[in-house]
Formats: sequence, C-alpha cells, structure tokens
Amino acid sequence: ETGVTQTPRHLVMGMTNKKSLKCEQHLGHNAMYWYKQSAKKPLELMFVYSLEERVENNSVPSRFSPECPNSSHLFLHLHTLQPEDSALYLCASSRGTSYEQYFGPGTRLTVT
Amino acid sequence: AQSVTQPDIHITVSEGASLELRCNYSYGATPYLFWYVQSPGQGLQLLLKYFSGDTLVQGIKGFEAEFKRSQSSFNLRKPSVHWSDAAEYFCAVEGSQGNLIFGKGTKLSVKP
Repeated sequence: ETGVTQTPRHLVMGMTNKKSLKCEQHLGHNAMYWYKQSAKKPLELMFVYSLEERVENNSVPSRFSPECPNSSHLFLHLHTLQPEDSALYLCASSRGTSYEQYFGPGTRLTVT
Repeated sequence: AQSVTQPDIHITVSEGASLELRCNYSYGATPYLFWYVQSPGQGLQLLLKYFSGDTLVQGIKGFEAEFKRSQSSFNLRKPSVHWSDAAEYFCAVEGSQGNLIFGKGTKLSVKP
C-alpha cells in the first residue's frame, strides 16, 4: 500500500477556500487516476492521465482542476467547492491504462 | 456500456465459515475483471484479477474467484473467513478507456 501516497489524509475547507490534494506513486507507473468515493455511491472516475497527458474527464465540474507535472505526481486543485463535494478522494496508478490499478489511502475531504 | 452489479449490500458470516460474494458484469468482449478490498478509512487493495486463461484465479489472503462467461459472473470465494476479513469488497471491470468501473460494494461483517 505504500506504493501510492496521498496528502493530506484529512482536509476540512470552507466553500471559498482553495486547496490542493497531492498524490505520489513510487511504482514506476505511467498512468494515474483520481476517483471520488461518496457514501452509498459507486466509486466515480474523475480524471485519467497517461504519460502525463489527460485522457479522460468524466464531465467533472470545473471547480476540480487536475495537474500531472510528471509521471510520479498528480494533484487535484480545489476551489469554491460545495458541501456535496465532501467525499473520500482516491488516487491510483497503473503501468498503463489496461493494467490493474494500485490505490493510495485517500484524502477525506469535508466542505463546510 | 460496461457495468458491474454486486447484488448483496451487506453480508454477515461466522468466523471459520465459507464466503461467496457475488459479482455480475455487463461487457461486450472478454472482460478484464478485478476484486478489491477496502478497510475502513483506507484505500483499495487489489485481491486478484482475471485477464485471460484459467477461469479460476487465486489471489492474496486466501481468496479466489471464478470467471463464468455464460453467467457473466466473477464471484469471490474464501473457504474459511477470518475476523480480519471484515471490510468492504468491490468488484470492477475494465472500461472502454482503460479505467475501472466499480460495483457499489459488499460490506462483509464477521461474527465471532
């Protein structure tokens, strides 16, 4: 599980704040992902990066902005969030986009 | 479109009893299938995967799963459950973009 790390583990922010979630993978993988996990809903894919290029954006609101500066790091920039954005945000990585994914421990986000 | 159904939201078994968690998928071609486990407050850990070949796959922690094309199923099994197996279990199928499409999960409780 230590192959993919996420910081912070917990975050409380107001609706007018700007914050960023960080993900780092130590597995030499080429693809990275952001997922959102809300109570009573399936895991939702938000963004996919392969070789640092975004390949998937599942109509995520623009208040979520991803950044992938290199194949080991992935960020999710947050601004003017809504209370319904409170969830567990999971990062994952894989060798490529058709391989098994390895997940980080997640960031528990609460929007007040 | 691909989809995954886990019909059991919550299952309780006694420690030492056998376990079977159900998963049905919808996919046009030969699917890539996965089972993940999530302990409270943690990310997802890969238990096992099926890409091709032998339809009975072995995973970590004594789990196995059987791919049955005729039934569009990929059920997870364990012959003897341990208290530490209490967690939430997710079945997933690879989507058309190489992402994972998850079921809603089955929460497993283990009685002493």
